Amino acid sequence: GQSLEQPSEVTAVEGAIVQINCTYQTSGFYGLSWYQQHDGGAPTFLSYNALDGLEETGRFSSFLSRSDSYGYLLLQELQMKDSASYFCAVRESASKIIFGSGTRLSIRP
Amino acid sequence: SQTIHQWPATLVQPVGSPLSLECTVEGTSNPNLYWYRQAAGRGLQLLFYSVGIGQISSEVPQNLSASRPQDRQFILSSKKLLLSDSGFYLCAWSPLYNEQFFGPGTRLTVL
Repeated sequence: GQSLEQPSEVTAVEGAIVQINCTYQTSGFYGLSWYQQHDGGAPTFLSYNALDGLEETGRFSSFLSRSDSYGYLLLQELQMKDSASYFCAVRESASKIIFGSGTRLSIRP
Repeated sequence: SQTIHQWPATLVQPVGSPLSLECTVEGTSNPNLYWYRQAAGRGLQLLFYSVGIGQISSEVPQNLSASRPQDRQFILSSKKLLLSDSGFYLCAWSPLYNEQFFGPGTRLTVL
């Protein structure tokens, strides 16, 4: 079957760095995405990795290792507004995309 | 630019009543379209996706159905709602091989 595993909750301090891991087991793999969702809102796209390596976009970076079926989202210089849920998602085929259960990130001052 | 619309924003329906949620996309053609459901504090469950008019792939066998009568219109329906159908319903579109863009969602409560 298909599964995406990520921690349910992570707590960090404002200004620090946090890493959210995602391991996946799917029948196909085209790429790994990350989304941010604030309470009551819709998910918004953060990053997409199709190939192994690190992709950097401002304070956010995303890493993929296809051989390990593993990726992570790295958030630097944490701000209070980064408190949200973060989801990894696998594009399993050209059109099918499935999501992990989400990681709730809480940031303390 | 592309925009995605969903309505209604909130809905309260009695058990056994029918459901119709509509999603439309503007500014693009032949998008992949998706319906997800999210229970409170949980992840997104893929319900249906469509690569073209009349082409629907179902991921979860249940009392919901989807239709795509036009290129940029995606409809989620039910003939008889269950209590377990409550949740946050999200429509999304995606260009091929790229990220998904989500609509604002419909919060459905079945009583």
